[in-house]
Amino acid sequence: RKEVEQDPGPFNVPEGATVAFNCTYSNSASQSFFWYRQDCRKEPKLLMSVYSSGNEDGRFTAQLNRASQYISLLIRDSKLSDSATYLCVVNEPVQGAQKLVFGQGTRLTINP
Amino acid sequence: EAGVTQFPSHSVIEKGQTVTLRCDPISGHDNLYWYRRVMGKEIKFLLHFVKESKQDESGMPNNRFLAERTGGTYSTLKVQPAELEDSGVYFCASSQRERGELEQFFGPGTRLTVL
Repeated sequence: RKEVEQDPGPFNVPEGATVAFNCTYSNSASQSFFWYRQDCRKEPKLLMSVYSSGNEDGRFTAQLNRASQYISLLIRDSKLSDSATYLCVVNEPVQGAQKLVFGQGTRLTINP
Repeated sequence: EAGVTQFPSHSVIEKGQTVTLRCDPISGHDNLYWYRRVMGKEIKFLLHFVKESKQDESGMPNNRFLAERTGGTYSTLKVQPAELEDSGVYFCASSQRERGELEQFFGPGTRLTVL
């Protein structure tokens, strides 16, 4: 079983639609959770951190359910520029270290 | 402020040859990481430096891979001898110690192709 599992997609949605991604992680001791965005042939960039209370940044909302070991990302009013691969990332709890564990990524294409 | 830089951007070598990848972290970042993504797989952790010390090298695949960070500034990752399965994109990232968010900033990657 993979440490971080995501639906690889691809997701093809029309501009303006709402799209949701889900992710599960296997290590219950994990402490930090993130969504990264990766454009084609580019490096991953932090989109947002994910907190237990849920957090929102403009059109993006992230949720964490520790009991179910489940993370979600919701994108509202999607734009063409949202087309990218979205990576669910968990910080593995290694003492003194910051080891990121990545999901395979969910590919999103927003269509005009 | 300059971001994480990596050199070269692409490298094509033959099986059995040696390749050295370089990473320059963001100035002042103590933490430096190497990751790689092989075709069709997720990005995987290779190792983590704190300054010049290896904090965690649990992700290094085998002893053909050698990472160094002399002086605690830039880092090199040497693959010797390269094998076909080493092909992929090698990312370097850095983060600043003591910073609340601990965000890791990634470089653009080195795309390695072993023929």
